[in-house]
Amino acid sequence: QQQVKQSPQSLIVQKGGISIINCAYENTAFDYFPWYQQFPGKGPALLIAIRPDVSEKKEGRFTISFNKSAKQFSLHIMDSQPGDSATYFCAAGPSGAGSYQLTFGKGTKLSVIP
Amino acid sequence: DTGVSQNPRHKITKRGQNVTFRCDPISEHNRLYWYRQTLGQGPEFLTYFQNEAQLEKSRLLSDRFSAERPKGSFSTLEIQRTEQGDSAMYLCASSPWGGVDTEAFFGQGTRLTVV
Repeated sequence: QQQVKQSPQSLIVQKGGISIINCAYENTAFDYFPWYQQFPGKGPALLIAIRPDVSEKKEGRFTISFNKSAKQFSLHIMDSQPGDSATYFCAAGPSGAGSYQLTFGKGTKLSVIP
Repeated sequence: DTGVSQNPRHKITKRGQNVTFRCDPISEHNRLYWYRQTLGQGPEFLTYFQNEAQLEKSRLLSDRFSAERPKGSFSTLEIQRTEQGDSAMYLCASSPWGGVDTEAFFGQGTRLTVV
């Protein structure tokens, strides 16, 4: 299975709050897990990524938590700001040579209200 | 602007017509990808080039779709005999040499509407 399941579909958070988006995957060959941020009318842009050899990665206000046994990973946005309002996609990529495709989740539309 | 450039940004076509999109990757990026994104969905992989060689194709890429990357620089994606179901945003991305975890930079996409 190549599916990546993402939840919630939409999320409303107050300014300063924590935004949490969850993803689950099925294919154990996946070993690269990026998160992309997309603003309306723009292409996705890489936000942060993790490989399964670590359980957590933090970059500024953005943290990825990874649970290999559960095949789940999540994005935490601390101190959420109105400028974070965008659609967020989790994705997963396979290990091994010969394949460079990313499988994306369906996206989470985040709205941060003042 | 040194990012991935896609043209046109928008295309409206009648069902049954052929359309062609162009992607100019970031200079010296030898890897180029095409994805399709429909409303409310994540991008879906279509095809991948390493230099001029098309190395990977999704089953989503029916025989009406063809992609080329002559000389390993820009790429074109052609859709023949367009159908309403082809309406989507077509995204191009490029990345430098490296593993699957090498960052792919996306363009702003070409939005296709088939009427």
